[in-house]
Amino acid sequence: DVKVTQSSRYLVKRTGEKVFLECVQDMDHENMFWYRQDPGLGLRLIYFSYDVKMKEKGDIPEGYSVSREKKERFSLILESASTNQTSMYLCASSTPGGSDTQYFGPGTRLTVL
Amino acid sequence: EDQVTQSPEALRLQEGESSSLNCSYTVSGLRGLFWYRQDPGKGPEFLFTLYSAGEEKEKERLKATLTKKESFLHITAPKPEDSATYLCAVQEGGGFKTIFGAGTRLFVKA
Repeated sequence: DVKVTQSSRYLVKRTGEKVFLECVQDMDHENMFWYRQDPGLGLRLIYFSYDVKMKEKGDIPEGYSVSREKKERFSLILESASTNQTSMYLCASSTPGGSDTQYFGPGTRLTVL
Repeated sequence: EDQVTQSPEALRLQEGESSSLNCSYTVSGLRGLFWYRQDPGKGPEFLFTLYSAGEEKEKERLKATLTKKESFLHITAPKPEDSATYLCAVQEGGGFKTIFGAGTRLFVKA
């Protein structure tokens, strides 16, 4: 079974703090994704990575950056957290090919005060 | 513009009362359509991938079907444990982007 883990289930930070969200997958997937999920807005793609050190912006990259130094690990960084970044953050991974199904982690509920 | 619309937004059923959830989409060249189940406070759990019109897939009480413009998730004789939000997503050919619908919240009462 594919396993995607995220470093924290719940996180509370203060405005202006630098925040790191970590995601690890154990299935040797090439593609990894960061989404945020807000009520009424569904899942929105923040960043996507298709290989180590490679990244592409999604729909809402402003205020975020990412890092992928190893194939299994994809980090989301909030350089200076703001209250409008309070959300559920979901990491996913997939392997390119016929299926391209994305498998999700459990999510991190981030609250910025 | 590529879009995915799910209906209804919420559905309340009695245990054993079969029904269907709808996902309509507009993309230029469908690569795949995905159904997920999401429980409150958790990440989406993969259910099905459909690739071409006419395709059907089943898992326990769930059956997903696909036409050229929409997909249905049929729930037969649902149980309270089927209560969750069901998400539909589509992927366009040639790209990496997956577009998610807003989901249908299903409540099954015993």
